[in-house]
Amino acid sequence: AQSVTQLDSQVPVFEEAPVELRCNYSSSVSVYLFWYVQYPNQGLQLLLKYLSGSTLVESINGFEAEFNKSQTSFHLRKPSVHISDTAEYFCAVSDANFGNEKLTFGTGTRLTIIP
Amino acid sequence: GAVVSQHPSRVICKSGTSVKIECRSLDFQATTMFWYRQFPKKSLMLMATSNEGSKATYEQGVEKDKFLINHASLTLSTLTVTSAHPEDSSFYICSANRGQGYEQYFGPGTRLTVT
Repeated sequence: AQSVTQLDSQVPVFEEAPVELRCNYSSSVSVYLFWYVQYPNQGLQLLLKYLSGSTLVESINGFEAEFNKSQTSFHLRKPSVHISDTAEYFCAVSDANFGNEKLTFGTGTRLTIIP
Repeated sequence: GAVVSQHPSRVICKSGTSVKIECRSLDFQATTMFWYRQFPKKSLMLMATSNEGSKATYEQGVEKDKFLINHASLTLSTLTVTSAHPEDSSFYICSANRGQGYEQYFGPGTRLTVT
């Protein structure tokens, strides 16, 4: 079984400042890692994912996350945030043997951008 | 991207009644659909996985006689909460994918309140 910990339930950040949303996981098997974003009144959208290969993955809107196996972490970062980044961010993990099935989610981090 | 809708977006029902929630994939055929439940400040918890034309697979601890899932077509799955009680009040989210290993697309969720 896997578990995901997002220690920060809320993160307020000034516009154009950098941000890091933390995610740690535990698993006894190889995992795939995901970050999902949920904008107000919308469904979860996949932001980025790590399946294999390069440990640094990027999204099209400037976010990046780095898989650190030794620290069992997959922190999400952005060097300069915008008002439009205000949303709830969920880290998730799945058993690599099951692909994208059976996602285990963290409790989410609400990112609020302060103008 | 692919779109998944849920209906209704919010519903209030009396204790002891049943309520049906629909999940539709609008522009793709969903081989597999997933139902999640989200409590306040908690992560999404997978309730069950359903494949079109076959019985749903429920996660441990989820009462299959209380949460009836039907995946009658490649674009529609329904979750029926039978004999609802106040403790069933929650946010229910569905997702769908084209098959194992494909990305899950999430619906916007349905907030159920049982009075």
